[in-house]
Amino acid sequence: QSVLTQPPSVSGAPGQRVTISCTGSNSDIGAGYDVHWYQQVPGTVPKLLISNNNDRPSGVPDRFSGSKSGTSASLAITGLQAEDEADYYCQSYDSSLSGYVFGTGTKVTVL
Amino acid sequence: QVQLVQSEAEVKKPGASVTVSCQASGYAFIDYYIHWVRQAPGQGLEWMGRVTPKTGGTNYAPNLQGRVTMTRDTSVTTVYMELRRLRPDDTAVYYCVRASPPIVVAGKLRSFDLWGHGTLVTVSS
Repeated sequence: QSVLTQPPSVSGAPGQRVTISCTGSNSDIGAGYDVHWYQQVPGTVPKLLISNNNDRPSGVPDRFSGSKSGTSASLAITGLQAEDEADYYCQSYDSSLSGYVFGTGTKVTVL
Repeated sequence: QVQLVQSEAEVKKPGASVTVSCQASGYAFIDYYIHWVRQAPGQGLEWMGRVTPKTGGTNYAPNLQGRVTMTRDTSVTTVYMELRRLRPDDTAVYYCVRASPPIVVAGKLRSFDLWGHGTLVTVSS
């Protein structure tokens, strides 16, 4: 029951910059709730990548950055590397559902 | 070592129930909410609900209300997730996750900073 919309896929050459959008509504991101981002390399457990819109946990490269505005958020990856090939999910809270919601997920491919 | 260790994979028939356990170690168990997230094969992440280890209080996703129960046993620092009346579309990897910051910290939406290894539940006749 994802209520946050992400593009199914994005791609870029090594070294390029890619962005992933996460579109919500006035009951989630637009209501002021923070956005978190997770990275899931195929066959592995999801990993927290960005918390509270733009905070990087220890160990996450500064190539990853997040932002939030209005009812949307975005994740940017600069200096794309082969190891960045993964699925990325945004997450927030929905007051109408009284629970957390995830985005639909975006597959990043390094060309 | 800070970790969440889950029970092994299960195979169930439609209509049956399944219980997945999640044992926490390496941190103060009662200080953090534990949530459950599932992921169907080839699909995205779905939030199922959370349990408050100190009180046993719960919040469930609306679409699972009535079929899911989350409990905890503080003596063994373990949380449990029971899903009843299983259907084939409940086939998924089920993750327990820790939410940070600790419960005493107010004002920020918690993120899921520690994940269990996942438990595959297969529902098939």
